[in-house]
Amino acid sequence: GAGVSQSPSNKVTEKGKDVELRCDPISGHTALYWYRQSLGQGLEFLIYFQGNSAPDKSGLPSDRFSAERTGGSVSTLTIQRTQQEDSAVYLCASSLAPPGRDGYTFGSGTRLTVV
Amino acid sequence: GQSLEQPSEVTAVEGAIVQINCTYQTSGFYGLSWYQQHDGGAPTFLSYNALDGLEETGRFSSFLSRSDSYGYLLLQELQMKDSASYFCAVRSNQAGTALIFGKGTTLSVSS
Repeated sequence: GAGVSQSPSNKVTEKGKDVELRCDPISGHTALYWYRQSLGQGLEFLIYFQGNSAPDKSGLPSDRFSAERTGGSVSTLTIQRTQQEDSAVYLCASSLAPPGRDGYTFGSGTRLTVV
Repeated sequence: GQSLEQPSEVTAVEGAIVQINCTYQTSGFYGLSWYQQHDGGAPTFLSYNALDGLEETGRFSSFLSRSDSYGYLLLQELQMKDSASYFCAVRSNQAGTALIFGKGTTLSVSS
């Protein structure tokens, strides 16, 4: 597609429920990244996919978080048993790898609110 | 470990010039990037410096000194629409080509 598409744009969930966030990257971008941004804060790296290689999960904050990327394209970030501290904007980005002079292209994010 | 330091806030008036500094600590340096994020929006890529010196793109310029582990973003002829958060970023030591971002500098431009 023309840009990185994320859905839903907003999600309100009850504490303890599972949520799935979707990212559709730019066609041809082999690298896909998930970040989390809490209110007024910087971007916290979560997980990184490169082509068909195993993902780098070094940024995931707990085993409640997982992600997959199917067919080297669409990715889903799953948060199990959500907690209030999971409330944040979840941003997906894609790039040619390495990003270099082209940088990342970010989606508009999913704003997750855990009540 | 890795760290990036940048001022939390900068204020300026329309038409002025502002410089946002970034110092970093990392091994295996692959370049310094800058991103802009308007309130409620997605971060957008501004610039990338792999080598020392100044890179100019219109009203924005970015500078890098690898020996000082230091860079800056220079915004000229400020406009109200430049009010946003600006993030510097370097490649992660651990996660392939993933970027590690600073906490961001909020720029407020007034008339």
